[in-house]
Amino acid sequence: KQEVTQIPAALSVPEGENLVLNCSFTDSAIYNLQWFRQDPGKGLTSLLLIQSSQREQTSGRLNASLDKSSGRSTLYIAASQPGDSATYLCAVTISGGYNKLIFGAGTRLAVHP
Amino acid sequence: NAGVTQTPKFRILKIGQSMTLQCTQDMNHNYMYWYRQDPGMGLKLIYYSVGAGITDKGEVPNGYNVSRSTTEDFPLRLELAAPSQTSVYFCASSYSKAGAPKETQYFGPGTRLLVL
Repeated sequence: KQEVTQIPAALSVPEGENLVLNCSFTDSAIYNLQWFRQDPGKGLTSLLLIQSSQREQTSGRLNASLDKSSGRSTLYIAASQPGDSATYLCAVTISGGYNKLIFGAGTRLAVHP
Repeated sequence: NAGVTQTPKFRILKIGQSMTLQCTQDMNHNYMYWYRQDPGMGLKLIYYSVGAGITDKGEVPNGYNVSRSTTEDFPLRLELAAPSQTSVYFCASSYSKAGAPKETQYFGPGTRLLVL
């Protein structure tokens, strides 16, 4: 059974720091891995999607890597800003006849001025 | 495009009451999903649909029902509400084509449900 774990559960950093969020999954048979951002009272927004054949994706200050063999992904946020404060969710898409997403519990990030 | 819209935003139910959570998408996506998110947890799939008239159970379907009569709408029905159904409910949609890479799901803003 696929399980997704995110470490740390919560993180508080001063503005300007570079930071790394970690995600691990137990079964390497995935179609892709996604990082989502969730703001309080709002839905999820997809930040980066890495297909299983890819190693990394970049968008602005965000960079996500994928190592299928070790079952790990990292989300790197450069020069963090208070506006980055949110919960970051990692999810893998697995086979099953539909686009089945298995989510981690998330990392709650607070960036203070 | 409005994307995925959900109503209501918040609702309080008494034990045993019923209600329908509405979800509509205007992106012509064939796949639609209902998730629930409990505090401090990831999202768990309740039901999904791969097209109008086709629905199937996800991980936690007990106590819920769905229907999909159109491409745009995917309502979730709660019968005999219980305190364990207190949660935030998210609807999502995506486009999937056989043989193509899996695409991301687009999420609605959620419905917060409290059952007392």
